[in-house]
Amino acid sequence: EAGVAQSPRYKIIEKRQSVAFWCNPISGHATLYWYQQILGQGPKLLIQFQNNGVVDDSQLPKDRFSAERLKGVDSTLKIQPAKLEDSAVYLCASSLRLAGVNTDTQYFGPGTRLTVL
Amino acid sequence: GESVGLHLPTLSVQEGDNSIINCAYSNSASDYFIWYKQESGKGPQFIIDIRSNMDKRQGQRVTVLLNKTVKHLSLQIAATQPGDSAVYFCAERAPGRRALTFGSGTRLQVQP
Repeated sequence: EAGVAQSPRYKIIEKRQSVAFWCNPISGHATLYWYQQILGQGPKLLIQFQNNGVVDDSQLPKDRFSAERLKGVDSTLKIQPAKLEDSAVYLCASSLRLAGVNTDTQYFGPGTRLTVL
Repeated sequence: GESVGLHLPTLSVQEGDNSIINCAYSNSASDYFIWYKQESGKGPQFIIDIRSNMDKRQGQRVTVLLNKTVKHLSLQIAATQPGDSAVYFCAERAPGRRALTFGSGTRLQVQP
């Protein structure tokens, strides 16, 4: 079974530029998450999708971050404009939503490491 | 690849010894807990999970213990191997949510 795919793996930009990350979840997984992981810390949720709808974006800095999952499969996360503090690894995860089950495992992709100069 | 957790607490063990990694979680209402392993340059990898109605769960070479009274979670790794070297994160999930809240992580170093 193929895992969660992400691209690019690395990105270096200057502050105030824009950047986009792409995620392809595991086939059949309805729930997709974007996490931000700053060096030395655990991942922090940015946004959660159920199919193509947003379930939780309470921690997404909406003035500069946006995400979409138009067809309920692939997702993109965009930052515009980037700040120095956005330097981090951006992780995508997916899980198979089962009715009545609250313990479905989240599978993570390799992440995109963003460096903002 | 990049390093994960340059300033994390570090547990150093000898190959073949048992390892115990501890985690204090924050939300007394959390009903599901997971341990993830993260190697440098990779995303977190699921190890083992436990629901709040249990206090112990065993997998292959790993055991998770849950103490809800003091909001403490531990991961025990038996016969630690060099391939176990990584950063380990505990994560919790509140009722009604699917997103995880991660702890700060512990780096495990296995000495040959």
